[in-house]
Amino acid sequence: EAEVAQSPRYKITEKSQAVAFWCDPISGHATLYWYRQILGQGPELLVQFQDESVVDDSQLPKDRFSAERLKGVDSTLKIQPAELGDSAMYLCASSWAPQETQYFGPGTRLLVL
Amino acid sequence: AQTVTQSQPEMSVQEAETVTLSCTYDTSESDYYLFWYKQPPSRQMILVIRQEAYKQQNATENRFSVNFQKAAKSFSLKISDSQLGDAAMYFCAYRSGGSNYKLTFGKGTLLTVNP
Repeated sequence: EAEVAQSPRYKITEKSQAVAFWCDPISGHATLYWYRQILGQGPELLVQFQDESVVDDSQLPKDRFSAERLKGVDSTLKIQPAELGDSAMYLCASSWAPQETQYFGPGTRLLVL
Repeated sequence: AQTVTQSQPEMSVQEAETVTLSCTYDTSESDYYLFWYKQPPSRQMILVIRQEAYKQQNATENRFSVNFQKAAKSFSLKISDSQLGDAAMYFCAYRSGGSNYKLTFGKGTLLTVNP
């Protein structure tokens, strides 16, 4: 069964360093989402792509976060510089179309020291 | 803005018994969707069940069913014949039926299944 792939699964970094996360959606899924899940909370949307275009990044802290999906397939989320408060699980999800069911990847757990 | 509230941080159930997880939401929209997602420890989140607001009939998926009370803005999940594999964090989520397709999640309920 096709799954959303994410790497790395775990990342430890020091504050002020740069980190990057990668997501490979299910083949053929045009819509891709990045969520942040703080411990004890539900996921919150950071950015949504439709193909290679950003359709919603209203909750993305643009001073330090960036996301791209250059060829409309896989995607990278970057944080520079990382802050202590960025420690969280970063989840990627994809769907055939925006209105279809979202399928989640295993996530990248980030710890900023 | 829509909000989703799960008032039970933790629940426990005996194997083979039935448990109900609560969820309430706040919205001014008439067209929307509600979801229950399951997140097992160290594993990805998976969709358990989905309910369209325009449907009066409650959704069911095998041992999982919902009690959707639109007027009360309540959307509870019932798990029948609980199994050890049901142990997980359960999230209730809301999605608008319009052009904004992002999911708004509650804080989750941690379900423990006791043998």
